[in-house]
Amino acid sequence: DGGITQSPKYLFRKEGQNVTLSCEQNLNHDAMYWYRQDPGQGLRLIYYSQIVNDFQKGDIAEGYSVSREKKESFPLTVTSAQKNPTAFYLCASSSSVQEGGYTFGSGTRLTVV
Amino acid sequence: AQSVTQLGSHVSVSEGALVLLRCNYSSSVPPYLFWYVQYPNQGLQLLLKYTTGATLVKGINGFEAEFKKSETSFHLTKPSAHMSDAAEYFCAVSEGQAGTALIFGKGTTLSVSS
Repeated sequence: DGGITQSPKYLFRKEGQNVTLSCEQNLNHDAMYWYRQDPGQGLRLIYYSQIVNDFQKGDIAEGYSVSREKKESFPLTVTSAQKNPTAFYLCASSSSVQEGGYTFGSGTRLTVV
Repeated sequence: AQSVTQLGSHVSVSEGALVLLRCNYSSSVPPYLFWYVQYPNQGLQLLLKYTTGATLVKGINGFEAEFKKSETSFHLTKPSAHMSDAAEYFCAVSEGQAGTALIFGKGTTLSVSS
């Protein structure tokens, strides 16, 4: 079955460490997205990519980095510059940015210890 | 810039009662509008979407929403709530053909009591 897979489901990070969240899709979608979810804040856009080797910053890109070397993969790195990284991270994909009907992964919960 | 406002962070209804979740948007171009549902510790699932055409949109699980341009609203309704409807609901907007990523509201948690 086609879908979008995020791993790991739970991730713990020590202060000062970089961590990478994985997002893989087999839907043949061109566009992929990363959102951060905090209680009462809704979903806030971190980065998105419309095509391989290209990506755009969202509203809260500071302290995060991404790459899009393959159509299927859009990993997110949470760097030590992100001062408050504890959150639920959601990856999504769609056939195009215009299409809007995203398919979401099941999320990664990142906790700083 | 686009924005979405969901009125009421928490809505409680009785089983069998009408569900009404409110969403107002701001967009400088004709918007595309969406409602998503999220169950605890899961990703979001698309309920319904409006792009062009008929302003009353029907979605999954008996939900529907009406695009009202004059009121800049896209409220979500369901005639009769079921216990399984308890979840968090998000309204989202994009600039349609202008090609920007979705902007989400802060969400409304729906509780259903028996």
